[in-house]
Amino acid sequence: AQKITQTQPGMFVQEKEAVTLDCTYDTSDPSYGLFWYKQPSSGEMIFLIYQGSYDQQNATEGRYSLNFQKARKSANLVISASQLGDSAMYFCINAGGTSYGKLTFGQGTILTVHP
Amino acid sequence: EAQVTQNPRYLITVTGKKLTVTCSQNMNHEYMSWYRQDPGLGLRQIYYSMNVEVTDKGDVPEGYKVSRKEKRNFPLILESPSPNQTSLYFCASSFNGVYNEQFFGPGTRLTVL
Repeated sequence: AQKITQTQPGMFVQEKEAVTLDCTYDTSDPSYGLFWYKQPSSGEMIFLIYQGSYDQQNATEGRYSLNFQKARKSANLVISASQLGDSAMYFCINAGGTSYGKLTFGQGTILTVHP
Repeated sequence: EAQVTQNPRYLITVTGKKLTVTCSQNMNHEYMSWYRQDPGLGLRQIYYSMNVEVTDKGDVPEGYKVSRKEKRNFPLILESPSPNQTSLYFCASSFNGVYNEQFFGPGTRLTVL
């Protein structure tokens, strides 16, 4: 079974600074996907970014980038220029592989942005 | 508006009383799935459906049933709820499988007494 590990239960960052949220995954499948989602205190799940295992370049979406290191099996989320509205829970998710319909979530990291 | 809807949003029930949480999407998505969220555990997948009439178990299917008789709906059924099924439940859908953006519903908070 796939396993996703987010080792940082909580992170703090100053407004306008960059922050990296760590994610490591454990899969032997050659084909898989990796997502990051944000869950603010209001509870909804918001898509941030997606990286496919065969993608040659790191995914970027506005202020979000995914630092994909395939050999190390890591998929860290980098948020540049943090904003107060970035305070939320962040989930790293592994998708597919031989379990083609499955999504496996990490435990989440709570990010707090200080003014 | 493109969306995934869940009903009810909040439910308090008693042990053993069958209940159904509905999930509906209006985006013509093939893939739908259910998750439960518990503190410290993230979200865990209960069941998923790649398309109509095709469902499969996720990581925590015990105590749950699903059906996918039509594309837009994917109800979650608890035949005999127990207190350990108290949780926050999310339904999600995507255009075609897990390699696309997943659109989540607003969540259903279930309490089983």
